[in-house]
Amino acid sequence: QLQLQESGPGLVNPSETLSLTCTVSGGSISRNTDYWGWIRQPPGKGLEWVGTIYYSGSSDYNPSLKSRVTISVDTSKTQFSLRLSSVTAADTAVYYCARMITGITGAFDIWGQGRMVTVSS
Amino acid sequence: SYELTQSLSVSVALGQTARITCEGNDIGSKNIHWYQQKPGQAPVLVLYRDVNRPSGIPDRFSGSNSGNTATLTISRVQDGDEGDYYCHVWDSSTVVFGGGTKLTVL
Repeated sequence: QLQLQESGPGLVNPSETLSLTCTVSGGSISRNTDYWGWIRQPPGKGLEWVGTIYYSGSSDYNPSLKSRVTISVDTSKTQFSLRLSSVTAADTAVYYCARMITGITGAFDIWGQGRMVTVSS
Repeated sequence: SYELTQSLSVSVALGQTARITCEGNDIGSKNIHWYQQKPGQAPVLVLYRDVNRPSGIPDRFSGSNSGNTATLTISRVQDGDEGDYYCHVWDSSTVVFGGGTKLTVL
C-alpha cells in the first residue's frame, strides 16, 4: 500500500529557505498516471496548492508562489522535494505531500500526514 | 485564474441530509473532487470526478455538478461526518481549492 511521509526542519528562520522531502514507499514514483504535489495549510485556514511535479521533472507551481518555489524529484530514492525561499511568517503552515492521479482527472488520492513548519527567529 | 467559492459553514441535524456547495464559472464543464478533513488530520478524498466514491467511502456521500454549482450531499449525517470539506479542480495544469466549508452536526 502506497504511503507518503514528509520530513524536514520544523522551524525556519525568516528570509531563509524552507526545505522538505516527501518519501514514497510501497509503490512506484514513476507511473505515467501520477503527479506528485505539495499542498499547505496555514493554522486555522484552508488548503493552498504549492506545486506539482511529474517523475520526468516537469513541474507546475502556484502563480502566487512561483518566484520562490522549486520542486524536484529523485526517482532513485522515490522522493520528491520542496524548496521555498525567502520565507516569512506567512509561510508558516502544515505542509502536505500527496499523489495526484491524472486518470481520475487530478484528484489527490493519497496524502502524507503533514509536516508543521514554523517561520520564526 | 479560476476560483471556487464555498460557503463558510453548514449545520445539519443528526440523521438529516447535508448539502455543501462549490461555485465556479461553468463549473459543470469541469471535474470536481471533494475532500473531508477532520481536526489534526490530513484531508481524505471522498468524491472524485463529481460523483465517484473511492473505496471505503460510504454511499451516503454523493455528488452532482451542473451549471455554476457542484454539490456534495451527505445523507443520514452522523457525528463522524463533522469536519471541513473542500472542493478541488485541476484546470489547465493549475490546482485550485475552494475555501472550505465547516460541517457541524447538531
